[in-house]
Amino acid sequence: DGGITQSPKYLFRKEGQNVTLSCEQNLNHDAMYWYRQDPGQGLRLIYYSQIVNDFQKGDIAEGYSVSREKKESFPLTVTSAQKNPTAFYLCASSMEREAFFGQGTRLTVV
Amino acid sequence: SQKIEQNSEALNIQEGKTATLTCNYTNYSPAYLQWYRQDPGRGPVFLLLIRENEKEKRKERLKVTFDTTLKQSLFHITASQPADSATYLCALDDFRMDSSYKLIFGSGTRLLVRP
Repeated sequence: DGGITQSPKYLFRKEGQNVTLSCEQNLNHDAMYWYRQDPGQGLRLIYYSQIVNDFQKGDIAEGYSVSREKKESFPLTVTSAQKNPTAFYLCASSMEREAFFGQGTRLTVV
Repeated sequence: SQKIEQNSEALNIQEGKTATLTCNYTNYSPAYLQWYRQDPGRGPVFLLLIRENEKEKRKERLKVTFDTTLKQSLFHITASQPADSATYLCALDDFRMDSSYKLIFGSGTRLLVRP
């Protein structure tokens, strides 16, 4: 089945730790995106990538980093510099305009 | 500043009625506008896309309009059902000077359909 897979579904992080969220797609899509969603809020763009080995900052990139070494993969690292990382993180991919989303990773700082 | 605004208050309607959700945007010139459905704890699911040169698009019980003069899109669900209860998000593309574009979302409107 083609799709976009995020892992893990739930992630707990201690303060001061870096954590990496995985996003893999087998849809052969060029573009990939990372969004953050807080309770009752919309999606805010963290980073996006149109092609391999290239990515751009979104509206809230501070405290996050990404890589795009393969077309299928776009991992997001939440660094210790991100002061309020507890949120629901969504990865998406698209070829033309329609975006396909993963099921999300819920990150909680403990 | 650039903004995409959706009604933050939940829309509560009776089953069988038409639900109408609004998306307004400021300081964008999107070539496309999209609508997505999001259920609690899940990723959004694409519903409809409308281009800037299209006034209206339909898909089954869904209808979307796009008025680039008013900078507004309306999303209608006719003959609404309790299963339509969800949060509906509008999204538009924001083209950049380097020819890349990013997909920007509104904050969503929660729809509740009472049986």
